[in-house]
Amino acid sequence: GAVVSQHPSWVICKSGTSVKIECRSLDFQATTMFWYRQFPKQSLMLMATSNEGSKATYEQGVEKDKFLINHASLTLSTLTVTSAHPEDSSFYICSASRLAGGSDTQYFGPGTRLTVL
Amino acid sequence: GQNIDQPTEMTATEGAIVQINCTYQTSGFNGLFWYQQHAGEAPTFLSYNVLDGLEEKGRFSSFLSRSKGYSYLLLKELQMKDSASYLCAVMDSNYQLIWGAGTKLIIKP
Repeated sequence: GAVVSQHPSWVICKSGTSVKIECRSLDFQATTMFWYRQFPKQSLMLMATSNEGSKATYEQGVEKDKFLINHASLTLSTLTVTSAHPEDSSFYICSASRLAGGSDTQYFGPGTRLTVL
Repeated sequence: GQNIDQPTEMTATEGAIVQINCTYQTSGFNGLFWYQQHAGEAPTFLSYNVLDGLEEKGRFSSFLSRSKGYSYLLLKELQMKDSASYLCAVMDSNYQLIWGAGTKLIIKP
């Protein structure tokens, strides 16, 4: 149990376009979902935390208008990178937790590798 | 501030045992997690400790001492596929996960 999927696995886009990444919990209800970014050889950086049905909480330095997060249901959260630029190229990983506030084990999706040309 | 320390890199031999240490200073404590991350992949959950002591799960064991702010991950009978980064993460009083930078474990034949 506790399987999380992400789609797409990798995406290449042109600078200025928007990219949507989906995160789904396949066999459990995820009250809380997290979005991380990881640059090569660096640690995970939490971007935002979202609870189903409410607005996401963004970490300091993360632009909420650039990284739009929607957690519409207990099994789906989406991250949209708007007006992407080459510096947004990174490995984006979501995780899901059963309990509110993430007071539970986080299970990670396989990640989405974004390359912006 | 909140801080998680773990060695940057370790090398071990196939079939041997390796211990990866993690020390932490956080505002509150609601448990410590160990994750494994292979290169280019997302982390996978290994263990969770919230009480002092040793938790054993197959070849992997995790130990916690809350009074010392210390944990270790013990890997026995090392296999080549264990080559990965091992991430230590502590859940603070606000249930936020504070991540260590990870320990890259290199297994040699």
